[in-house]
Amino acid sequence: GQNIDQPTEMTATEGAIVQINCTYQTSGFNGLFWYQQHAGEAPTFLSYNVLDGLEEKGRFSSFLSRSKGYSYLLLKELQMKDSASYLCAVTDSNYQLIWGAGTKLIIKP
Amino acid sequence: DTEVTQTPKHLVMGMTNKKSLKCEQHMGHRAMYWYKQKAKKPPELMFVYSYEKLSINESVPSRFSPECPNSSLLNLHLHALQPEDSALYLCASSQGLAESYEQYFGPGTRLTVT
Repeated sequence: GQNIDQPTEMTATEGAIVQINCTYQTSGFNGLFWYQQHAGEAPTFLSYNVLDGLEEKGRFSSFLSRSKGYSYLLLKELQMKDSASYLCAVTDSNYQLIWGAGTKLIIKP
Repeated sequence: DTEVTQTPKHLVMGMTNKKSLKCEQHMGHRAMYWYKQKAKKPPELMFVYSYEKLSINESVPSRFSPECPNSSLLNLHLHALQPEDSALYLCASSQGLAESYEQYFGPGTRLTVT
């Protein structure tokens, strides 16, 4: 079966760093996406990893280990506007996106 | 223009009504998607169109009927819906169906079935 696991909820402090983990078991792997979704809004693309390693984009970085079926999203210098849900999604062997349930990140002052 | 637009933003309909959701993009994307999203859940894929042809239909009930009139437009026709169909309906587009193309989402239509 297809399975993507993420923590349901995390809390962090403004200005700090937080790491959101994602583990996956899918029929094939053709890349992993991270999306951000604010409450009541549409998801917006954050990052894409297909090779092992770290991709850095400003305050956000995403890491992938294909052998471990594992990814994380690292958010630095947290701001209040980073309060949102973060969705991990994997493209499987049929090129379909399999979505995790999302991690709700709460930022406290 | 990196925008996907959807109309209406909100829709309330009775179980006997017929209505349509509309989606438009002008990014030249060749793949378009309909998703359904319930509160605190991830998006659930409903339909995928590639080059204006229905590519994927995820066993969606026939009361939902997609239509792709041209490469920029995607409609979702609704008829005889049930209260459990109340959800946020998201449209998305991507350059194609290849694995590396990110999807751009519209703001969604919040549908309530009474």
